Amino acid sequence: GAVVSQHPSWVICKSGTSVKIECRSLDFQATTMFWYRQFPKQSLMLMATSNEGSKATYEQGVEKDKFLINHASLTLSTLTVTSAHPEDSSFYICSARATGYGNEKLFFGSGTQLSVL
Amino acid sequence: SQQGEEDPQALSIQEGENATMNCSYKTSINNLQWYRQNSGRGLVHLILIRSNEREKHSGRLRVTLDTSKKSSSLLITASRAADTASYFCATDPSGGYNKLIFGAGTRLAVHP
Repeated sequence: GAVVSQHPSWVICKSGTSVKIECRSLDFQATTMFWYRQFPKQSLMLMATSNEGSKATYEQGVEKDKFLINHASLTLSTLTVTSAHPEDSSFYICSARATGYGNEKLFFGSGTQLSVL
Repeated sequence: SQQGEEDPQALSIQEGENATMNCSYKTSINNLQWYRQNSGRGLVHLILIRSNEREKHSGRLRVTLDTSKKSSSLLITASRAADTASYFCATDPSGGYNKLIFGAGTRLAVHP
């Protein structure tokens, strides 16, 4: 099956710094990737849809300047949390649709636990 | 915003018993999918049922879909301790939105 690699798995940073999370599709091309945020014991909240070569589409209430998304190639999307604050601490998960797998289901990265001190 | 609700929020059963989780949603859909998440990990796709389908099976999984009630259920038969995880339904809304909206999830604990 299609594999999505997400790095880092966890990161601890100081308040005010920026953190970059990478999401790679290893064995398929992903024209669309999705970034979700998840709080403990809660559901996944869609933050943005990332399209290769174009600007990301953000969900209502998600700050574009806070959560910078870049999808520069068909296999890589990055999420940068800028000027991180403790309230940004969360579990971030990326996912991708894989052409050739019915283009309907999502393949997920293993997630990144961000802790902002 | 989240598309749907799931119940129960948490379910605790013994190995060998069946586990049933329900999902309700609000808008028209192209398909509904169920995913599994082990603690602190990404999600794994389990099964997809299209809007014109009523029931689907995959191994020990059985999914039903009632579009008139905008609801779905996931049945895991003969549960095992390894089935312990959170289970989420996700809807693919009609209208070309190109995204999945996840329900609140059910935390399943299967005790040996």
